[in-house]
Parts: sequence; C-alpha cells; structure tokens
Amino acid sequence: DTGVSQDPRHKITKRGQNVTFRCDPISEHNRLYWYRQTLGQGPEFLTYFQNEAQLEKSRLLSDRFSAERPKGSFSTLEIQRTEQGDSAMYLCASRGLVSYEQYFGPGTRLTVT
Amino acid sequence: AQSVSQHNHHVILSEAASLELGCNYSYGGTVNLFWYVQYPGQHLQLLLKYFSGDPLVKGIKGFEAEFIKSKFSFNLRKPSVQWSDTAEYFCAVYQAGTALIFGKGTTLSVSS
Repeated sequence: DTGVSQDPRHKITKRGQNVTFRCDPISEHNRLYWYRQTLGQGPEFLTYFQNEAQLEKSRLLSDRFSAERPKGSFSTLEIQRTEQGDSAMYLCASRGLVSYEQYFGPGTRLTVT
Repeated sequence: AQSVSQHNHHVILSEAASLELGCNYSYGGTVNLFWYVQYPGQHLQLLLKYFSGDPLVKGIKGFEAEFIKSKFSFNLRKPSVQWSDTAEYFCAVYQAGTALIFGKGTTLSVSS
C-alpha cells in the first residue's frame, strides 16, 4: 500500500499524559499536513511542512502541541499534558509540490479519559 | 478568514433519487475547490476537484459539481444515488498559501 499511513490508529490515554502520533506520507510528496477532526465537524488545519520545514501553524496548535518532520520524511505530532478536550481524530495528509490534491491517512483516534 | 458552509447536515434519500448538496465559500479570490467523501470506516477520499476551466467538473462514481463564481458556490450533484453512496461528504477550499478549509460535512443516508 503506497498511501498515507498513520500509527497508532487508536490511542486511549489518561489526562495529563503525553502522546505521540506518527504519519508516513506518500513517498514522493514533499508537503505534509496535520488536521484535527471532532464529532460533527470537518477536519481543522493544525500545521504543515514542506520537506522538513514547518511553514504554518494554526492558532488551534497550542504550546502543548509540537510537530516535527526530521529529514522531510515521516512526521510526528506530540501532545503534552493531554486534556479531555484533545479527544479527537488526528488526520495526516500529504501532497506533491505541484498538485493541490491532498491524500489523507486513516487517522489516529485519541481518547483522553 | 476563509470559511466554507455546507447547507445540509443530514440528507436522507431513497435509491434512485437525485442528490444535490450545497457548498458556499467566503473568499472572493482564486480558489481551488474540492469535495471529499468518507465512507463508513474508511478514510477521506477525493471525490472531485475544480482548479480552473470548465466550471462543471465530473468526479468518480457519477458525481459532478458546478462552480458558480458569482454565487461563491460549488454544489455537488448526482442524478441517481445508490445505497453505496451512504457516506459523509465534505466540501473544502484551498486558498494559495494555506491548507484546506473544510465545511462541517453532510451525512448522506440512502435507503434501498
């Protein structure tokens, strides 16, 4: 399968714990995006990378959130000191330099108890 | 800020009925428009897109959408829905220099 993959698919954690999610984009895609989706809402933009550079961060990305994309390949999204409001589906998408089409992964569903 | 509005939260149709889902966006400049679909248990998939040219675009599975610039609209249509079209549909706008901005989605339920 050469699509976007995300790991883990599900994560249950206790409030206050740190969690890290991984995204592996389509190999030739240099842009990688993170979105968050809550029930009844469409995906909301969090941040994006072009290669290893993080070019934009949404105001939704509080200082408890950090994302990295070392070497411009896979990316990680870490949430520190999780809160119940962080419970959501975290989606990763990638696209090539020229095409505007974004290809989405299956998402990581986070539940904070 | 750019925003996307989807008029219908939940649409219920019988098989063979025609479908039209409304989508309006707020930005008046050059935009790229998309419809994504999420089937139950699956990830978001691109249904169709508009970048430029013919404002009537055709996508997969018999779907089409019409871009009307004067109305800031990009409505999705299908002449005859099938039970397998049951899914959540998202309209999205890409404005240069930003990421995709999505509407809240429309849940389509098709009864056989």
